[in-house]
Amino acid sequence: DSGVTQTPKHLITATGQRVTLRCSPRSGDLSVYWYQQSLDQGLQFLIQYYNGEERAKGNILERFSAQQFPDLHSELNLSSLELGDSALYFCASSELAGGETQYFGPGTRLLVL
Amino acid sequence: AQKVTQAQTEISVVEKEDVTLDCVYETRDTTYYLFWYKQPPSGELVFLIRRNSFDEQNEISGRYSWNFQKSTSSFNFTITASQVVDSAVYFCALSEAQSNTGKLIFGQGTTLQVKP
Repeated sequence: DSGVTQTPKHLITATGQRVTLRCSPRSGDLSVYWYQQSLDQGLQFLIQYYNGEERAKGNILERFSAQQFPDLHSELNLSSLELGDSALYFCASSELAGGETQYFGPGTRLLVL
Repeated sequence: AQKVTQAQTEISVVEKEDVTLDCVYETRDTTYYLFWYKQPPSGELVFLIRRNSFDEQNEISGRYSWNFQKSTSSFNFTITASQVVDSAVYFCALSEAQSNTGKLIFGQGTTLQVKP
């Protein structure tokens, strides 16, 4: 158990809908990262928050947004969902902002029908 | 540009064989970090090792060992006396210090199947 929790574990929804994925980092970790794993793109970095502020952005679509709250948990919002958004979404956390080991949550498996 | 290449897509071995998973990286940064993660069939990503670019010492942890060679930009992972429980997808990843973020760039992964 990495200490990072993600909810829900599975999510099935329809095209055009909006969903929210939730992540709680390990105790004491200030950084939260979001990654998407799909068969065609592999593991891709989406976005990083450090102590409530956006730190880095990767290949995140404009339809996707995230935030980190004062208690350091984070949410990833996916809207206007398309079939191609079906993937495994991982959250990871690390103590500080860069170079440290990232510990991954169990992931949320999203299926868009 | 940063890039991680795991040229071996799938490897199949018989239990007790040794197996090496290759990882080659590209970066212009002089300070960077390399990682290996394991993704078993259950799907979670399990951290195995972190290496910084200034530490070229090889590392051994039980049946696992890692060979970091800056001269060839490689960070290979060897499992000695493989076991069925080692069957998983293994990912090599790179993080650059210059970006001042922890963004991980992953390779495509190597699927290891260990047969009894």
